[in-house]
Amino acid sequence: NAGVTQTPKFQVLKTGQSMTLQCAQDMNHNSMYWYRQDPGMGLRLIYYSASEGTTDKGEVPNGYNVSRLNKREFSLRLESAAPSQTSVYFCASSDRGSYNSPLHFGNGTRLTVT
Amino acid sequence: AQSVTQPDIHITVSEGASLELRCNYSYGATPYLFWYVQSPGQGLQLLLKYFSGDTLVQGIKGFEAEFKRSQSSFNLRKPSVHWSDAAEYFCAVGASGYSTLTFGKGTMLLVSP
Repeated sequence: NAGVTQTPKFQVLKTGQSMTLQCAQDMNHNSMYWYRQDPGMGLRLIYYSASEGTTDKGEVPNGYNVSRLNKREFSLRLESAAPSQTSVYFCASSDRGSYNSPLHFGNGTRLTVT
Repeated sequence: AQSVTQPDIHITVSEGASLELRCNYSYGATPYLFWYVQSPGQGLQLLLKYFSGDTLVQGIKGFEAEFKRSQSSFNLRKPSVHWSDAAEYFCAVGASGYSTLTFGKGTMLLVSP
């Protein structure tokens, strides 16, 4: 039962470097999400993909891009990392629009930008 | 816009004591309500959800929550806390017309011996 798999688990970047966070789900879910979690801020939505072929901005999209590669995979790219992007990133999926469908989360990627 | 408030940032409970974590939401119509738990270094796991019907819902790990429309609340309860319940708990609300859930900022539960 893999569920939602995120890679890498940890990453350290220097300011200005780029990287892509990978996410894959094996539950045949239609919708996928990227959140960031910061102390005292809870979870904030970066981008989501309601279905294959669509992506939409969430609450905090600046500095990020996403690609819904296929139904299983949804990647998050930081083109030019900044210290403000130091955070824990979570990918999630749901069967349909999440307002009435539980989210299934990966175990997160802990990113530090120096 | 919908919003979720978890008034308590930290709560400490003795092992074996009862627990209640508070959650208040703001939304005009009937919301879809969720409680998630996050253990250290892990992702969030769904504890329970409320969509409609019986206002007292049962979840995993012995947790329950009660939806009170008049108070706009969805408080999480457990009769007897175990040390393994120490974690961060998140309330979330969803609503028709919104594509995504809105999460509260979380309550960290500490369990003392």
